[in-house]
Amino acid sequence: AQTVTQSQPEMSVQEAETVTLSCTYDTSENNYYLFWYKQPPSRQMILVIRQEAYKQQNATENRFSVNFQKAAKSFSLKISDSQLGDTAMYFCAFMKHVLGAGGTSYGKLTFGQGTILTVHP
Amino acid sequence: DTAVSQTPKYLVTQMGNDKSIKCEQNLGHDTMYWYKQDSKKFLKIMFSYNNKELIINETVPNRFSPKSPDKAHLNLHINSLELGDSAVYFCASSQVAGRDGYNEQFFGPGTRLTVL
Repeated sequence: AQTVTQSQPEMSVQEAETVTLSCTYDTSENNYYLFWYKQPPSRQMILVIRQEAYKQQNATENRFSVNFQKAAKSFSLKISDSQLGDTAMYFCAFMKHVLGAGGTSYGKLTFGQGTILTVHP
Repeated sequence: DTAVSQTPKYLVTQMGNDKSIKCEQNLGHDTMYWYKQDSKKFLKIMFSYNNKELIINETVPNRFSPKSPDKAHLNLHINSLELGDSAVYFCASSQVAGRDGYNEQFFGPGTRLTVL
């Protein structure tokens, strides 16, 4: 079974600074996807960034980037130029494929425990 | 035009009751999911449905049953509610990923269930 570990229950950062959230995972799969989701106080789950395991290049989305170390099974999220609106809980997630009847693949998400990020003015 | 909607957003009920949470998606997706987020914010998959086929069924008590009248809806029915069922329940939907492929899961706003 896959496990996803976020070792930082809480983090804080000053506005405009950079912060890195850590995530490690354990799997025997070779093909999988990794994600960071944001959950603000509104409760809505928002996809921040994703990484395909077969890609060596780290994914970037504007101020968000990842450091994907496949051998170390590490997937950290870097937020640059932090903004007050980045205050939220951040979840690292792992997706593997599950085969249904007929051989169709479906994605199964496993989440980490979450890291509460607070951006201070 | 909400992509994935859930009703109700809040549900307060007594132990032992039976309740349902409804989920609808207007994205044309063919796979839907239910997740549970407990009081410690831990989020875990419960079920996944595609064309009325149960794809993923994690270790969930038999009191929980997904019901899918059509591919745009996946409702969650809970019998004999217990205190430990108090949580936020999220519905999500996606297209079929295809072998080694990926399709984003879109989440609903969540339903906070409180069992007294």
